[in-house]
Amino acid sequence: GQNIDQPTEMTATEGAIVQINCTYQTSGFNGLFWYQQHAGEAPTFLSYNVLDGLEEKGRFSSFLSRSKGYSYLLLKELQMKDSASYLCAVVDSNYQLIWGAGTKLIIKP
Amino acid sequence: IAGITQAPTSQILAAGRRMTLRCTQDMRHNAMYWYRQDLGLGLRLIHYSNTAGTTGKGEVPDGYSVSRANTDDFPLTLASAVPSQTSVYFCASSDASGSGTGELFFGEGSRLTVL
Repeated sequence: GQNIDQPTEMTATEGAIVQINCTYQTSGFNGLFWYQQHAGEAPTFLSYNVLDGLEEKGRFSSFLSRSKGYSYLLLKELQMKDSASYLCAVVDSNYQLIWGAGTKLIIKP
Repeated sequence: IAGITQAPTSQILAAGRRMTLRCTQDMRHNAMYWYRQDLGLGLRLIHYSNTAGTTGKGEVPDGYSVSRANTDDFPLTLASAVPSQTSVYFCASSDASGSGTGELFFGEGSRLTVL
């Protein structure tokens, strides 16, 4: 079966750095997305990786290793507004999106 | 403001009743999707449409139907609601129909409670 694994919850301190991991086992791979979802709101796009390596976008970076079935989202200089759930999703061989359950990130002052 | 509009935002429904969740987008995206989101589970695809006039079944289609008469509208109907359909429903669209690699734009969600 297809599976996306993310930690259920993480806690970090304002101003610090946090890394949210995502491992996947899917039938084929055609890209990986990260979305941010604040409580009670819709998911919003953060990043898309299809090749190995690090993609940097401001305070957020996303890394992909296809050989290891692994990605991470790195958030720097954490702000209180970064408290949200972070969703990992993989595009499989049929170009269908497979979603992880999400990681709830709690930022403490 | 451009984007996706869902209605209603919240609804309590008696079991056995028929319910239609409305979704309209003004971005001229070809592909549209309906997901449900339940606590502890990832987003699950109910139905999708790659272009106006076509629809397809997702991971959890039973008990739901959709139509795509035009580019902008993609309503989701529960013919006879059951308590297990209590969930938050998200409509989404993408301009990369069929490829699955385009960014998804989501509506604000419809919170449905079936009693």
